[in-house]
Amino acid sequence: AAGVIQSPRHLIKEKRETATLKCYPIPRHDTVYWYQQGPGQDPQFLISFYEKMQSDKGSIPDRFSAQQFSDYHSELNMSSLELGDSALYFCASSLGPPAYNSPLHFGNGTRLTVT
Amino acid sequence: KNQVEQSPQSLIILEGKNCTLQCNYTVSPFSNLRWYKQDTGRGPVSLTIMTFSENTKSNGRYTATLDADTKQSSLHITASQLSDSASYICVVSGNTGKLIFGQGTTLQVKP
Repeated sequence: AAGVIQSPRHLIKEKRETATLKCYPIPRHDTVYWYQQGPGQDPQFLISFYEKMQSDKGSIPDRFSAQQFSDYHSELNMSSLELGDSALYFCASSLGPPAYNSPLHFGNGTRLTVT
Repeated sequence: KNQVEQSPQSLIILEGKNCTLQCNYTVSPFSNLRWYKQDTGRGPVSLTIMTFSENTKSNGRYTATLDADTKQSSLHITASQLSDSASYICVVSGNTGKLIFGQGTTLQVKP
């Protein structure tokens, strides 16, 4: 069965550079969530989209932005990267509005290393 | 403040043994509670999802319970296998759909 696809799998950037992470949800899933997980930490919610509109916002820095496109894939844009941005970034997708009790399916994440 | 707390923080058991992981939450209003298994460096994989009206749900050797009155949940793993070694994360959702993650319990199953 198709799963959530994230790309790239690994990314190395220098401070003050920009990065773009991509997420391709499971076909027909219309909700996408982004999470940031630091080493040994639990995932922190960044932002979510439902039907191409932002549905909720968490602890996403102003340096980051995201959007969901017409084909429901989502991109997380990160600018002025800082060392503390080094983390595993997960995308998850689900079917239906965020308040629905539908399972979230996570991708395997993009590991971002900022040097 | 909406919080999810898990215990124990880590656990070591022998292969074939059973174990129970705990999750207490203060999220209100409550929508559902999920248990995820996360292997190192991989995305969390859903084990169970329970709503307010469900007391127990099983998925193979995994059985989750929910007491919405005391705001407690447990995940029971039966006849553990080496492949069960992972982090187990309790995630609670309020009615906005935002997920509150617990810190997880790291389980190590030894032969």
